[in-house]
Amino acid sequence: DTEVTQTPKHLVMGMTNKKSLKCEQHMGHRAMYWYKQKAKKPPELMFVYSYEKLSINESVPSRFSPECPNSSLLNLHLHALQPEDSALYLCASSLGLAGFTDTQYFGPGTRLTVL
Amino acid sequence: AQSVTQLDSHVSVSEGTPVLLRCNYSSSYSPSLFWYVQHPNKGLQLLLKYTSAATLVKGINGFEAEFKKSETSFHLTKPSAHMSDAAEYFCVVSDSNSGGYQKVTFGIGTKLQVIP
Repeated sequence: DTEVTQTPKHLVMGMTNKKSLKCEQHMGHRAMYWYKQKAKKPPELMFVYSYEKLSINESVPSRFSPECPNSSLLNLHLHALQPEDSALYLCASSLGLAGFTDTQYFGPGTRLTVL
Repeated sequence: AQSVTQLDSHVSVSEGTPVLLRCNYSSSYSPSLFWYVQHPNKGLQLLLKYTSAATLVKGINGFEAEFKKSETSFHLTKPSAHMSDAAEYFCVVSDSNSGGYQKVTFGIGTKLQVIP
């Protein structure tokens, strides 16, 4: 099973709302990633968790708050977002042992619209 | 440092004709290289990967790519395009160990259009 699941598929929120995106994998992967993808652009890395510890934060605004409660689950908490944060948010996971020869498996994404 | 250049932002082919999507990379080491496909409003699906084994890599859906170190290229090909191949294709490079996770660099993507 090489599946990464993401919920919800679509999310519309106002600028004062608090919401969360959820990502789950059951492949035993120990590295998990959040990417942001704007239309007609490649994905941009936001955060990396390795063995449930935050390893990379690519200077993401604090209105995005990641959380890794366990090795299978990754959340992205959203608060006071701006309309320019509207995008497809992709989660990915990789084994976490093979380094640069690893393969990242992507979820289907959450389409976020901020009004 | 690693980088990847996809030479065409848009490629248009007729159904049943060959597909060629071009990718050149730059790396200080022997890299791993990947091709991912993304259909509209979907996540990324791995087509194939190269990690220093055979230089000709076969992937899913009839795609293959050849690693050419002398040309620093990793072009994606398919002998006969199908309508379902219409999508965005990303070439991806990774060349450094980062302690338990993978840092990749994406190309800008090539949009493949298949004409009936």
